[in-house]
Amino acid sequence: KQEVTQIPAALSVPEGENLVLNCSFTDSAIYNLQWFRQDPGKGLTSLLLIQSSQREQTSGRLNASLDKSSGRSTLYIAASQPGDSATYLCAVVLTGGGNKLTFGTGTQLKVEL
Amino acid sequence: DAGVIQSPRHEVTEMGQEVTLRCKPISGHNSLFWYRQTMMRGLELLIYFNNNVPIDDSGMPEDRFSAKMPNASFSTLKIQPSEPRDSAVYFCASSKSVIFRDDTEAFFGQGTRLTVV
Repeated sequence: KQEVTQIPAALSVPEGENLVLNCSFTDSAIYNLQWFRQDPGKGLTSLLLIQSSQREQTSGRLNASLDKSSGRSTLYIAASQPGDSATYLCAVVLTGGGNKLTFGTGTQLKVEL
Repeated sequence: DAGVIQSPRHEVTEMGQEVTLRCKPISGHNSLFWYRQTMMRGLELLIYFNNNVPIDDSGMPEDRFSAKMPNASFSTLKIQPSEPRDSAVYFCASSKSVIFRDDTEAFFGQGTRLTVV
């Protein structure tokens, strides 16, 4: 059974700091890995999708990397802003496992002024 | 496109009542998913449909839960009778491909926050 873990569970940083969120998964037979952002009381917003054949994806201040062999992904946020405060979730889709996403437990990020 | 649309956004109901949650997927998307989010268990897949056909309902917790997709633009998740432990946020998501591929991306609605008292 695929298990997805995110460390740390919570993180508080001062504005302007660069930070890294971690995601690890136990089964490396994945189609892709998706990073989502969830604001309190809101839905999930897709941030980045990394295909299994890719090593990284970038969008603005966000950079996500994928190392399938070690079962790890990182989300790098550059020059963090208070507006980045949210919960960040990673999710993977197993090959041969249907279309379902298996989600990590999330990292709650707070960027302080 | 307006994205995945769910209704209602909030629902408060008494134990034993029937609850129906609704979802409109993104136009042209062929897969639809229902997830439930709780503090204890995080996000869990309840059921998903491909081309309006239920494919995997192994995540549906009990017979009290049922889901339908009568057409490509509408799905419902029904709980009858509802219980306090059903209180959670229920998300609907859709994706374009029936066959999952590397570039298949899932898009989520805003969720329905259900409280059963």
